[in-house]
Amino acid sequence: DGGITQSPKYLFRKEGQNVTLSCEQNLNHDAMYWYRQDPGQGLRLIYYSQIVNDFQKGDIAEGYSVSREKKESFPLTVTSAQKNPTAFYLCASKVAGGQFDEQFFGPGTRLTVL
Amino acid sequence: AQTVTQSQPEMSVQEAETVTLSCTYDTSESDYYLFWYKQPPSRQMILVIRQEAYKQQNATENRFSVNFQKAAKSFSLKISDSQLGDAAMYFCAYRSARVGGTASKLTFGTGTRLQVTL
Repeated sequence: DGGITQSPKYLFRKEGQNVTLSCEQNLNHDAMYWYRQDPGQGLRLIYYSQIVNDFQKGDIAEGYSVSREKKESFPLTVTSAQKNPTAFYLCASKVAGGQFDEQFFGPGTRLTVL
Repeated sequence: AQTVTQSQPEMSVQEAETVTLSCTYDTSESDYYLFWYKQPPSRQMILVIRQEAYKQQNATENRFSVNFQKAAKSFSLKISDSQLGDAAMYFCAYRSARVGGTASKLTFGTGTRLQVTL
């Protein structure tokens, strides 16, 4: 079955540590996205990538980093510079260029900083 | 920058009844797309329905339909014959029709939590 997988489902981090969230898709989509979801704030874009080896900052990129070395993978690193990293993180993908196309989402990772 | 506003944090509907969720947006663009996503307790985001701004006809998907009022910048979602499985957070989202840069991103509202009662 085609889809997006995110791992782990739950992640706990101590303050000052970097942590990497995994996102893999087998939909053959060129575009991939990372969103952060906080209560009462909807989803906000962190980073996005339209093609392999290229990515751009979204609305709230500070304290995060990404890489796009393979088409199917778009890992997100939450660095110690992110002041309030506890949130629910959603990865998404879609066909590049088609603005009416559906954006498919993964099941999410819940990150908690202890 | 575009903004999306959902002014109803919570709504409740009885099973088999009809409910309408509101969404307004602000944009200076004339061509864009609008979406409604559902997020059940599993937190998996699921596309419910979408609308192209240049189409006057309102989109319909089974029990789900929209009332798209372009001049008023309004995009409400109507759920008919509500079912227990419709209980979820519902997010309205906007995407520009431009290609390139940040245009492909979705801008989301803050969501409306829908409860379905027996």
